[in-house]
Amino acid sequence: AQSVAQPEDQVNVAEGNPLTVKCTYSVSGNPYLFWYVQYPNRGLQFLLKYITGDNLVKGSYGFEAEFNKSQTSFHLKKPSALVSDSALYFCAVRDMGTTSGTYKYIFGTGTRLKVLA
Amino acid sequence: SAVISQKPSRDICQRGTSLTIQCQVDSQVTMMFWYRQQPGQSLTLIATANQGSEATYESGFVIDKFPISRPNLTFSTLTVSNMSPEDSSIYLCSLGRDKAYNEQFFGPGTRLTVL
Repeated sequence: AQSVAQPEDQVNVAEGNPLTVKCTYSVSGNPYLFWYVQYPNRGLQFLLKYITGDNLVKGSYGFEAEFNKSQTSFHLKKPSALVSDSALYFCAVRDMGTTSGTYKYIFGTGTRLKVLA
Repeated sequence: SAVISQKPSRDICQRGTSLTIQCQVDSQVTMMFWYRQQPGQSLTLIATANQGSEATYESGFVIDKFPISRPNLTFSTLTVSNMSPEDSSIYLCSLGRDKAYNEQFFGPGTRLTVL
């Protein structure tokens, strides 16, 4: 079965420092991996995705993620954190789908990022 | 990206009543999803709603409790029936593109409190 794990409930980082939010996955076949961000009292916003190709994926708001097949990881990174990056971050993986062609996404438990001024 | 709206944005309901949440999309989509999210928690998929077919429910969710309608390619409703305080949550609709590797787009959510 497909699954995704976010081992950290919360990550604290000082403003201006690099940040990493961790995600590991378990899939059968090629993984389709996603990162979403949720700001307080708002819906989820798509940040970036890995489908195939370059292992370093760039996304919105200066975020990037590195796909590592050998470690089955897809960590979210940003070179210099901003206070406004403080939010809840979700990693997700697409499942294999059904014979009827439908599919669904499996979300991690989320990591709360707190950037300190 | 698609524009997704949900109504109501929040509601406070009494135990035993039902609430219908509407999800409107500004473009035609095949797959729509309904999620539940406890505040600050992860998303739990309730069901997948494809136009023209019955919704597919995830384990732990049943049609009698969460009936879903999908009358056309731009609209869906989720009803939370016979509510109890345990149903207090944020309910999110999202849409999926035809290609599975495309990202999902989420509505702003409906915050439900059951007294």
